[in-house]
Amino acid sequence: GENVEQHPSTLSVQEGDSAVIKCTYSDSASNYFPWYKQELGKRPQLIIDIRSNVGEKKDQRIAVTLNKTAKHFSLHITETQPEDSAVYFCAALWMNSGYSTLTFGKGTMLLVSP
Amino acid sequence: SAVISQKPSRDICQRGTSLTIQCQVDSQVTMMFWYRQQPGQSLTLIATANQGSEATYESGFVIDKFPISRPNLTFSTLTVSNMSPEDSSIYLCSVPPGSSYNEQFFGPGTRLTVL
Repeated sequence: GENVEQHPSTLSVQEGDSAVIKCTYSDSASNYFPWYKQELGKRPQLIIDIRSNVGEKKDQRIAVTLNKTAKHFSLHITETQPEDSAVYFCAALWMNSGYSTLTFGKGTMLLVSP
Repeated sequence: SAVISQKPSRDICQRGTSLTIQCQVDSQVTMMFWYRQQPGQSLTLIATANQGSEATYESGFVIDKFPISRPNLTFSTLTVSNMSPEDSSIYLCSVPPGSSYNEQFFGPGTRLTVL
């Protein structure tokens, strides 16, 4: 099966700084890599995703990069704001017995201080 | 986007009892996934619920403990049986990529506390 490693487990930054969260995956057949943001007491929400035919994707202050050769992908948040504080999960999609399923990283708690 | 609802939103149960969690989706989907999120942890897949067949369970999860029903293409239930305090978690249903939607949506979750 797929194995997803995520680092760091916690990240503290000052408002306005950039934050980077990194993930690696094990199954070279994985082709879809979403990132989820989970605020306290709420469900995970998809914030950005990337497919294996693309190396980078950007949406306003967030961007994701993918290196298929190295099997790693990263989330970049620029100009961080206190409302970015949450737990972020990366995931990788792989085929499990004929259907697609997501394997999640362990999460990164991001704290943005004003 | 998918609209997914779950009932109950939270419950406090006594050990040894069972709780059935319901998940309703606003459109027909082939498969629905059930996840567990223990306090401060990531999401762990329990099983995949495929309409018309038995659910497929991940390593570490068994049907006797987590029976699942999938009576139609918009609804599923997960039962947590013979509960112990270790079952205290958030349980989430989700619709996976490759179904009616392009991204995986999660239900709001059911927060279970077992005393």
